Amino acid sequence: QVQLVQSGAEVKKPGASVKVSCKSFGYTFTDYRMHWLRQAPGQGLEWMGRITPYSGATDYAQTFQGRVTMTRDTSISTFYMELNRLGSDDTAVYYCARWARGNYDDSGFDAFDIWGQGTMVTVSS
Amino acid sequence: IALTQSPGTLSLSPGERATLSCRASQSISSTYLAWYQQKPGQAPRLLIYGASNRATGIPDRFSGSGSGTDFTLTITRLEPEDFAVYYCQQYGSSPPYTFGQGTKLEIK
Repeated sequence: QVQLVQSGAEVKKPGASVKVSCKSFGYTFTDYRMHWLRQAPGQGLEWMGRITPYSGATDYAQTFQGRVTMTRDTSISTFYMELNRLGSDDTAVYYCARWARGNYDDSGFDAFDIWGQGTMVTVSS
Repeated sequence: IALTQSPGTLSLSPGERATLSCRASQSISSTYLAWYQQKPGQAPRLLIYGASNRATGIPDRFSGSGSGTDFTLTITRLEPEDFAVYYCQQYGSSPPYTFGQGTKLEIK
């Protein structure tokens, strides 16, 4: 079964960093790009960036440039998102989501087809 | 490209038909327009991709249509489990992935 399983909830102080993991199951890890998005309480969805698993190449939303780092460990089929210099407005649920268009060919389609369950990150003093 | 969804809240009864709108600030390819459903405490679920293609396992009471700047998600014969928040999403111009603000479909 294709699924993404994220790490558990985090509570951080302002100025700290958080690292969220996303482990993939049921498909070839390098076949699809992985994206990270977040959703503040009661708000909509915000795209943070993406990583290409076979190369490690990343693209970040301008809002997060210089503050976010996305990595992967191919040996354990796991993606990571680290966000630095946390502020109270970073309190949100963070999601990893697979982009359904394949990396190597034109298979699939252009949408987020598989989502992790979400990781709540609370920033509070 | 900004996506504007309307209405913000839609109050209907089970069995009724729901029509949700998503308008883009400039023309986008229908290939890159998707719809998601989100229930409280859950991750979004893909419903429609390419403006009109149902994702795997999505019932045929869900349909998508539209082109250019105007897109629609229609749910015929609402079921109790359909009451949720719906988001449209586009892929393309900078920023490359944007979502509408959502339409909350609530039970009347």
